[in-house]
Amino acid sequence: NAGVTQTPKFRILKIGQSMTLQCTQDMNHNYMYWYRQDPGMGLKLIYYSVGAGITDKGEVPNGYNVSRSTTEDFPLRLELAAPSQTSVYFCASGAGRAGGELFFGEGSRLTVL
Amino acid sequence: GQQLNQSPQSMFIQEGEDVSMNCTSSSIFNTWLWYKQDPGEGPVLLIALYKAGELTSNGRLTAQFGITRKDSFLNISASIPSDVGIYFCAGADRGSTLGRLYFGRGTQLTVWP
Repeated sequence: NAGVTQTPKFRILKIGQSMTLQCTQDMNHNYMYWYRQDPGMGLKLIYYSVGAGITDKGEVPNGYNVSRSTTEDFPLRLELAAPSQTSVYFCASGAGRAGGELFFGEGSRLTVL
Repeated sequence: GQQLNQSPQSMFIQEGEDVSMNCTSSSIFNTWLWYKQDPGEGPVLLIALYKAGELTSNGRLTAQFGITRKDSFLNISASIPSDVGIYFCAGADRGSTLGRLYFGRGTQLTVWP
């Protein structure tokens, strides 16, 4: 059971570089999300999608972009990496039923130097 | 965004002790969920609550949806070393997009053998 798969697990970037965090799910969920987790701060929503072709901003979208061309994939793009984007990033998916039961990937740890 | 206050921030207990943690929100929630995050992993759903006053158990874990709809608590009985991790409360309010969750900052639990 693959569930939600994120790549890469670890990455170090230099300031100003760009990269894409990949996320794919095999549960046929319509809803997908990107969160970032900073120590002691819980999970903050970056972007979310309610279906292919539909995306919207969460609480902390600045510096990020997303796309949703298929139900399975929801990549997160960092265009000009900054030290403030050093964090652990989690992708999640859900069926969208009332209750918000989300399934999370294992996370991608990003360091910007 | 919604404010979720989760307490305590950390707990250090001995194996066999009971644990209690709680979460309060600034507004009414329709759903409360409790997640556990093991080191290096993504959060995993423990218990979901959908009705005010609801009391739900999952093995040694018991969670309740507060009557005011603004709080929830999680109890762990007879703790064991594998209970170590970060516990997050999460909630969905009436105004949020279906499936969108707000997270508390987490309770770091350490269990001494």
